Amino acid sequence: DAKTTQPNSMESNEEEPVHLPCNHSTISGTDYIHWYRQLPSQGPEYVIHGLTSNVNNRMASLAIAEDRKSSTLILHRATLRDAAVYYCILRDGFGNEKLTFGTGTRLTIIP
Amino acid sequence: DGGITQSPKYLFRKEGQNVTLSCEQNLNHDAMYWYRQDPGQGLRLIYYSQIVNDFQKGDIAEGYSVSREKKESFPLTVTSAQKNPTAFYLCASRSQGASGRNEQYFGPGTRLTVT
Repeated sequence: DAKTTQPNSMESNEEEPVHLPCNHSTISGTDYIHWYRQLPSQGPEYVIHGLTSNVNNRMASLAIAEDRKSSTLILHRATLRDAAVYYCILRDGFGNEKLTFGTGTRLTIIP
Repeated sequence: DGGITQSPKYLFRKEGQNVTLSCEQNLNHDAMYWYRQDPGQGLRLIYYSQIVNDFQKGDIAEGYSVSREKKESFPLTVTSAQKNPTAFYLCASRSQGASGRNEQYFGPGTRLTVT
């Protein structure tokens, strides 16, 4: 499985944008980039995914580098409820449905 | 409401006992998954099933067993052979969406403590 690298932790002030980076230099052409987040004592929840183009949804935006070797999850206006561990995961688009979770980035929001 | 339920939320067992964790979904998803999470760590895949009556080992299947007799249900048994069973166990099911979405929906988890 292609591997991702994320910072262990980040802090951000409430109501400011947050940029969470992810490196995936060994990504293959068929790998989708998925982001999940896990609130304390809960199961992870899907945030967003993309293949090549930048993506927006109601939760966040995903900016994908032109060479696809890195991506950034953008929370436009962080709230206290966004404090969670954020996982960047590569998923093989050719039927391998397993997700490999790393240790993710623990995001702390400062009021 | 559609979703995944896991029960119980907390489970305590004595060492040497088998224990079965429940996972039920009413999302009509074909694929289901079991993960284990240890403190400060990411999730590790134990078993997964892509269709009824079929399942595959994940990365850490030793000491665990599963069954998939119904689409809605994917119970996990933690056997006495599992050396370090104390952990947070998460069940998930997967949608088959368009554009490669295929997101996994997770249950609330069962925290198992074995003493």
